[in-house]
Amino acid sequence: ILNVEQSPQSLHVQEGDSTNFTCSFPSSNFYALHWYRWETAKSPEALFVMTLNGDEKKKGRISATLNTKEGYSYLYIKGSQPEDSATYLCAQQNSGGSNYKLTFGKGTLLTVNP
Amino acid sequence: DTAVSQTPKYLVTQMGNDKSIKCEQNLGHDTMYWYKQDSKKFLKIMFSYNNKELIINETVPNRFSPKSPDKAHLNLHINSLELGDSAVYFCASSLTRLYGELFFGEGSRLTVL
Repeated sequence: ILNVEQSPQSLHVQEGDSTNFTCSFPSSNFYALHWYRWETAKSPEALFVMTLNGDEKKKGRISATLNTKEGYSYLYIKGSQPEDSATYLCAQQNSGGSNYKLTFGKGTLLTVNP
Repeated sequence: DTAVSQTPKYLVTQMGNDKSIKCEQNLGHDTMYWYKQDSKKFLKIMFSYNNKELIINETVPNRFSPKSPDKAHLNLHINSLELGDSAVYFCASSLTRLYGELFFGEGSRLTVL
């Protein structure tokens, strides 16, 4: 994997459903993995920053896991609510070149239907 | 108080003009960034400054020139605007270049006619 890739591109779920989506990233020169939530007409807001293989983080109904050896992270939303509708971005921070650049995936657009 | 603020939020201008977008952060962060959201809504890094020093300069036309007068400000000047420059430009900051999530401004939508 050369780029940060997210799947699915978009997702529709019903209120109350639990859902998850994937972020794949290059495992070489890994430094950190970020997740952001981006609501329409607003700016992205950070959910999690994870650095260690096996990390799991949780904020309310949203949680994330990290596997740096195989280069993937999952974001889980339990009991989706309409207000969870947003684009979820992941970004990998890479230590190559010493500038620790953050590269974003194209996002997963989640729509939660009431 | 808005943590990262950009001005203007909207900018409509003619091809060939020169324009600037200003960004200020009141978080005391060391590192600031400019990202461009392209037509497919993909966020792509353009520049990053750490304590007024340029540390990331992606493949951006040299018509784009960032300036950081102090670590709380990062401005973006664009010369000879082209149609393809139309996009939303986001400013962001982080505690350091190594550590911390990005805090984004609200974006500046540039439309070149």
